Amino acid sequence: DTGVSQDPRHKITKRGQNVTFRCDPISEHNRLYWYRQTLGQGPEFLTYFQNEAQLEKSRLLSDRFSAERPKGSFSTLEIQRTEQGDSAMYLCASSPRGQGPLYGYTFGSGTRLTVV
Amino acid sequence: DQQVKQNSPSLSVQEGRISILNCDYTNSMFDYFLWYKKYPAEGPTFLISISSIKDKNEDGRFTVFLNKSAKHLSLHIVPSQPGDSAVYFCAASGGNSGGSNYKLTFGKGTLLTVNP
Repeated sequence: DTGVSQDPRHKITKRGQNVTFRCDPISEHNRLYWYRQTLGQGPEFLTYFQNEAQLEKSRLLSDRFSAERPKGSFSTLEIQRTEQGDSAMYLCASSPRGQGPLYGYTFGSGTRLTVV
Repeated sequence: DQQVKQNSPSLSVQEGRISILNCDYTNSMFDYFLWYKKYPAEGPTFLISISSIKDKNEDGRFTVFLNKSAKHLSLHIVPSQPGDSAVYFCAASGGNSGGSNYKLTFGKGTLLTVNP
């Protein structure tokens, strides 16, 4: 069990640029989640995959945001035309098939995005 | 509209004493409540949870109490240790929010400092 891996750990980008983050969940986990955490706030739900199907998206996920999970393995989160308000920690998490919500899920260490 | 509220941004206790972290929620349809702990530069780590059909769950030094009528839960840590110093997030899921039981709504967190 190598945990949930996120890459890169840090990203600094200029406003208007596109960025893409990658998440590798724990290998046997079929559910994958993306959250965003800004300074002084708790994590906010962005989207959720079960295998390759994106089952739920938050209204926070504007048209500039897109997430994919091809083949139900790793996932990518892309932000197009970044804005300063996109600066945040982007957290990925995963949980295994059959495990109910009371067991929580395993988070990665996150990707910190700074838009300058 | 914050559905999960942690009104104390910080708490300081002496080693060996009890730490009590509080959380209030507004959505009476939440079914599951979880506590996560977060160290700097790491993702949140699942700590303990409770279902809405229970009023107490205990795991070692950690106990979570749920008062459904007051829409209030608390996390007790006894005895507190310096290694418990971290940000603690309360989270809730489930209910008739149009989302799945796997989508978590987090509070803003409470920074616990345990002094030796």
